[in-house]
Amino acid sequence: QVRLVQSGAEVKKPGSSVKVSCKASGGTFSNYAFSWVRQAHGQGLEWMGGIVPIFGSAKYAHRFQGRVTITADESTDTAYMEVSSLTSEDTAIYYCVRQRGTFGTSFDYWGQGTQVTVSS
Amino acid sequence: EIVLTQSPGTLSLSPGERATLSCRASQSVSSVYLAWYQQRPGQAPRLLIYDASSRATGIPDRFSGSGAGTDFSLTISSLQAEDVAVYYCQQYYSSPPCSFGQGTRLEIK
Repeated sequence: QVRLVQSGAEVKKPGSSVKVSCKASGGTFSNYAFSWVRQAHGQGLEWMGGIVPIFGSAKYAHRFQGRVTITADESTDTAYMEVSSLTSEDTAIYYCVRQRGTFGTSFDYWGQGTQVTVSS
Repeated sequence: EIVLTQSPGTLSLSPGERATLSCRASQSVSSVYLAWYQQRPGQAPRLLIYDASSRATGIPDRFSGSGAGTDFSLTISSLQAEDVAVYYCQQYYSSPPCSFGQGTRLEIK
């Protein structure tokens, strides 16, 4: 059974960066797309970007291009997402997702979510 | 970007009733590139239906998906108390990027 375990909650100052990790177990890591989805309090789901580890290069939603960096470490089966230049609008729960295949497939497995709070 | 519009915004039904949730896309997403997710209060979303009509592993058969092109629906044949949740549709035809609908909140009377 595939399991995704994310790093713990973070509190950050405006203008700083945050890096969230997602450790995968129970399945092959490198051949699947790992995406990141965020959800502000009481709001809907928003795709930020993703990566297929075996291909290496990440894809990003236009609005996050240049401010979000997604990487994957095949030696530890861990995906990472870093957001820079944080503002209060980045306060949200961030979910790691493993897709059914590469890009263009459903989001089959979800991590537990990581709360990121941006506050001065 | 493909925009998904879900209706109704909120649905309130009694246990045992049938629920039908709608998802309309701004352009065709073919007949398979659509999924439905359930998000119970305080939990992460979970996959219910993928490729428009295939049930994910462990999902009860009272959940079913249908549709093609721009119009899709999720049907819950006999509502149970545990079905209280927000339901999201997602298209991955244009992925990346994919997009989600704004959600339908399902309440049990």
